[in-house]
Amino acid sequence: EVQLVESGGGLVQPGASLKLSCVASGFTFSDYWMSWVRQTPGKTMEWIGDIKYDGSYTNYAPSLKNRFTISRDNAKSTLYLQMSNVRSEDTATYYCTTRTTSFDYWGQGVMVTVSS
Amino acid sequence: DIQMTQSPASLSASLGETVTIECLASEDIYSNLAWYQQKPGKSPQLLIYYANSLNDGVPSRFSGSGSGTQYSLKINSLQSEDVSIYFCQQNYDSPYTFGAGTKLELK
Repeated sequence: EVQLVESGGGLVQPGASLKLSCVASGFTFSDYWMSWVRQTPGKTMEWIGDIKYDGSYTNYAPSLKNRFTISRDNAKSTLYLQMSNVRSEDTATYYCTTRTTSFDYWGQGVMVTVSS
Repeated sequence: DIQMTQSPASLSASLGETVTIECLASEDIYSNLAWYQQKPGKSPQLLIYYANSLNDGVPSRFSGSGSGTQYSLKINSLQSEDVSIYFCQQNYDSPYTFGAGTKLELK
């Protein structure tokens, strides 16, 4: 059974940095592209970016490219999202997903609240 | 960016009814369209990919159709467990964009 478990969220102050993790199991992690998608409290969905199965290529939403970085550690079956200089509009639930033709499997999500 | 316009924003239907949700892309996305179901308090789940391919384990009362810029999700014989928010999403071109969602409730 595919499982994706995100962690690392919480309350963070504007301008701070935060790193989210997603531990994968139930499939060969190193064979799959992976993605991060976020959902605002108002339920708006936004794709953040993708990373190739070997970590050699990343693709980001242009509006987030300068502040967010996706990486992975295939030995640990773990996906990461480094967020820097966070803003109130980054308040959302963050999901990691497998990525083939669509966002196939989703984690349970982790909440990030940006507030002073 | 490709804009995805989803309608209606909300929908109320009775058990056993057939409902249809529409999604309009701002340009041709060549059937690179997925539908997701998000049950209350849960993460989204893939229902349909490539506009009309049913994901594994999805009941056959769900179906997708469309081409070009116009797509739809049809739910036959509505069940109580179908109460959810439904999202369309284009996989044709980055950034990969979502519709605003349709909240389906029981009448």
